[in-house]
Amino acid sequence: GENVEQHPSTLSVQEGDSAVIKCTYSDSASNYFPWYKQELGKRPQLIIDIRSNVGEKKDQRIAVTLNKTAKHFSLHITETQPEDSAVYFCAASFPLGDYKLSFGAGTTVTVRA
Amino acid sequence: KAGVTQTPRYLIKTRGQQVTLSCSPISGHRSVSWYQQTPGQGLQFLFEYFSETQRNKGNFPGRFSGRQFSNSRSEMNVSTLELGDSALYLCASSPGLAGSPGEQYFGPGTRLTVT
Repeated sequence: GENVEQHPSTLSVQEGDSAVIKCTYSDSASNYFPWYKQELGKRPQLIIDIRSNVGEKKDQRIAVTLNKTAKHFSLHITETQPEDSAVYFCAASFPLGDYKLSFGAGTTVTVRA
Repeated sequence: KAGVTQTPRYLIKTRGQQVTLSCSPISGHRSVSWYQQTPGQGLQFLFEYFSETQRNKGNFPGRFSGRQFSNSRSEMNVSTLELGDSALYLCASSPGLAGSPGEQYFGPGTRLTVT
């Protein structure tokens, strides 16, 4: 099955700086890569996603890049703000019969004021 | 549209007991996935149900089982509870299969404590 590794597990950044989280996946057939954000005590919510036919996608201060050759994708948060403090999960979907979604272990991001 | 709901929100059980958790998806959603969340372990996939059929299964022992009803509501059962089963159990619903492009909508979770 698909294996998704996520790094780093924790990330502390100064407010206004950028944050980058990287995920690698094992199955080259993976074709959909969502990112979820989970604030403390709340449920995970989709913040951005990318399909395998696109190399980069941006939505305001967040962007995701995909390198299919290297089988990795990254989340970039620019101009970080205190409300960006949360746990971020990457995921990869691969069509093994039915679509199956595998999540990374999560990155705890802390934005220091 | 009402969001995903889970009942109960909190549960305390003792080792050896069994437990049943319930998840009501967003109206019209046919897929319900279950996840176990523990500190440092992220979201561990348990199983996914779509139109009353189990479509995918994670690497959990047979003590963990589930089902889905014709109205898409889903239940998860854990038998012979162990201390290590203490976790937040999240369910998520989506219109299509969980791995297909599109958002999964998560419920608030059931916090299970096994003593």
